[in-house]
Amino acid sequence: DAGVTQSPTHLIKTRGQQVTLRCSPKSGHDTVSWYQQALGQGPQFIFQYYEEEERQRGNFPDRFSGHQFPNYSSELNVNALLLGDSALYLCASSTYRGEKLFFGSGTQLSVL
Amino acid sequence: AQSVSQHNHHVILSEAASLELGCNYSYGGTVNLFWYVQYPGQHLQLLLKYFSGDPLVKGIKGFEAEFIKSKFSFNLRKPSVQWSDTAEYFCAVNGRAGGTSYGKLTFGQGTILTVHP
Repeated sequence: DAGVTQSPTHLIKTRGQQVTLRCSPKSGHDTVSWYQQALGQGPQFIFQYYEEEERQRGNFPDRFSGHQFPNYSSELNVNALLLGDSALYLCASSTYRGEKLFFGSGTQLSVL
Repeated sequence: AQSVSQHNHHVILSEAASLELGCNYSYGGTVNLFWYVQYPGQHLQLLLKYFSGDPLVKGIKGFEAEFIKSKFSFNLRKPSVQWSDTAEYFCAVNGRAGGTSYGKLTFGQGTILTVHP
């Protein structure tokens, strides 16, 4: 049973570029949440997708957007990259009312 | 706004020592509380959770945590640590509003635990 898978594992971009990160949830899960983890910090909630709609959003600018597909997989898009966007981006899946989040290994994004 | 504070950034212990990691939260309502753990090279995973009832909750691998409402605290404890407990530990909270998912967690900054054999 595959857990949460994220791609790519590492990514290097330059300021101003756009990036797309991908997440496949654990089998049986229909909800995907995205988190940003800066070095030495805890994960910070970006947004959550359920039934192909953004359900909750954290304190992130509109440069951060997402999408969920009918197969429950999800993408995180970041436009106009800033140096401060360099971080580990984590995807977590669950059922919508599930208490337990299952995390992926993350995508390490470096913005130069 | 919710916030979570973990008292120690790095804790170093010898095997068999007792462990207590502090966690305090700020939130103006009823909360659900979690401890997540990340072992070296592995994903974040749930260690234990508190929603209601007995304020002393037990998790995997002999860990427990006590919710003290008056102190807004949810400290993690283990009577005797092992080398395999070396990991980073995160406290997290979720405001308990009706109809919302548990996916929106507010995490603390994490505590790195190093256990020497």
